[in-house]
Amino acid sequence: AQSVTQLGSHVSVSEGALVLLRCNYSSSVPPYLFWYVQYPNQGLQLLLKYTSAATLVKGINGFEAEFKKSETSFHLTKPSAHMSDAAEYFCAVRSGGGNKLTFGTGTQLKVEL
Amino acid sequence: DAGVIQSPRHEVTEMGQEVTLRCKPISGHNSLFWYRQTMMRGLELLIYFNNNVPIDDSGMPEDRFSAKMPNASFSTLKIQPSEPRDSAVYFCASSRRGLAGFSSYNEQFFGPGTRLTVL
Repeated sequence: AQSVTQLGSHVSVSEGALVLLRCNYSSSVPPYLFWYVQYPNQGLQLLLKYTSAATLVKGINGFEAEFKKSETSFHLTKPSAHMSDAAEYFCAVRSGGGNKLTFGTGTQLKVEL
Repeated sequence: DAGVIQSPRHEVTEMGQEVTLRCKPISGHNSLFWYRQTMMRGLELLIYFNNNVPIDDSGMPEDRFSAKMPNASFSTLKIQPSEPRDSAVYFCASSRRGLAGFSSYNEQFFGPGTRLTVL
């Protein structure tokens, strides 16, 4: 069965600092991995996805993630945090047939002045 | 594109009442997903449909929950009778189903959610 684990339910960074949100996966098949963002009172929006092409994936809003098979990780990074990045971030793995996903428990990102 | 449309956006009801949540997927999408989000349990998949047919309902909590998709442009999630522990945000998402197997994937597009409060 496929699953993801997000380390840290809350992360706080200063504006302009590096953002690092951690995600480790478990998968019995080559994984498809995703990061979604949820702003307050909104649905989830896809940030980026890994589907076995390039291991470094670039997404929207300056975010990127690197797939590391040896570490079973897919951490999300952004070089310089902006106040508008404050949101909840979810890592997900394709699980089962079709487009079914299994989500992590989410990481709340807070950006401080 | 109108995106995934959900109604109502907010619902407040009393315990024991029937609740119906509605979803209109993006035109052309043939997979539809219902999720529930709570602080305690996070984001849970309740059920999903491919081409209007329920494929996996293993996440449906109990018989009080039922979901239908009578056509490609409409789905409902019904709770009868509702209980306070059903209070949550319910999301609908849709996608265009990829090829068979793991060789392709199309992203899910989420609606804005319905915030349900059962008193």
